[in-house]
Amino acid sequence: GAVVSQHPSRVICKSGTSVKIECRSLDFQATTMFWYRQFPKQSLMLMATSNEGSKATYEQGVEKDKFLINHASLTLSTLTVTSAHPEDSSFYICSAGSGSGTSYNEQFFGPGTRLTVL
Amino acid sequence: KQEVTQIPAALSVPEGENLVLNCSFTDSAIYNLQWFRQDPGKGLTSLLLIQSSQREQTSGRLNASLDKSSGRSTLYIAASQPGDSATYLCAVARRRRALTFGSGTRLQVQP
Repeated sequence: GAVVSQHPSRVICKSGTSVKIECRSLDFQATTMFWYRQFPKQSLMLMATSNEGSKATYEQGVEKDKFLINHASLTLSTLTVTSAHPEDSSFYICSAGSGSGTSYNEQFFGPGTRLTVL
Repeated sequence: KQEVTQIPAALSVPEGENLVLNCSFTDSAIYNLQWFRQDPGKGLTSLLLIQSSQREQTSGRLNASLDKSSGRSTLYIAASQPGDSATYLCAVARRRRALTFGSGTRLQVQP
């Protein structure tokens, strides 16, 4: 199946710093990628939809100026958590669709990034 | 707005039992439904994908069914093993849209 990678897998940072997380589709092109967040013992919640070559679409309650998303190519989307605070500590997971053009079938998920803000 | 509910929230069974996990969703206009497994502190492992036109999918000891009209899906695990212990997530998608996840069922299979 299609492979999606994320980097880094784990990051610990001080409050106030910015952290960039990369999501790559390794063997397919993804015009759309999704970013999710998962707090402990909770399910995944969609944060934003990342579209190649255009602005991301954010879910209600997600600050677009805090969570910067860039989808500069068909295989790479990045999420930057700006001025991170302890409440941003979470598990961040990206996904990408395996299709191309205007449709996609199954979504493939990256392994996730554990962010801890001290 | 789509809502996905999973019952039960937690389940503990002895090894060897057959078990059923339930998932329901409020909006039947879905493109597909996926079942995932998540081990503690880890990412997601896709188990089964059912397209909206399908009624079931099977992989090894796993069988997932979909009744789109009633907004329900079940995941059947045959002859459960301790290695099956994990959280199982159900998620539905609309075409070209992100997945909406249920809250999961935490399964513990006792040896």
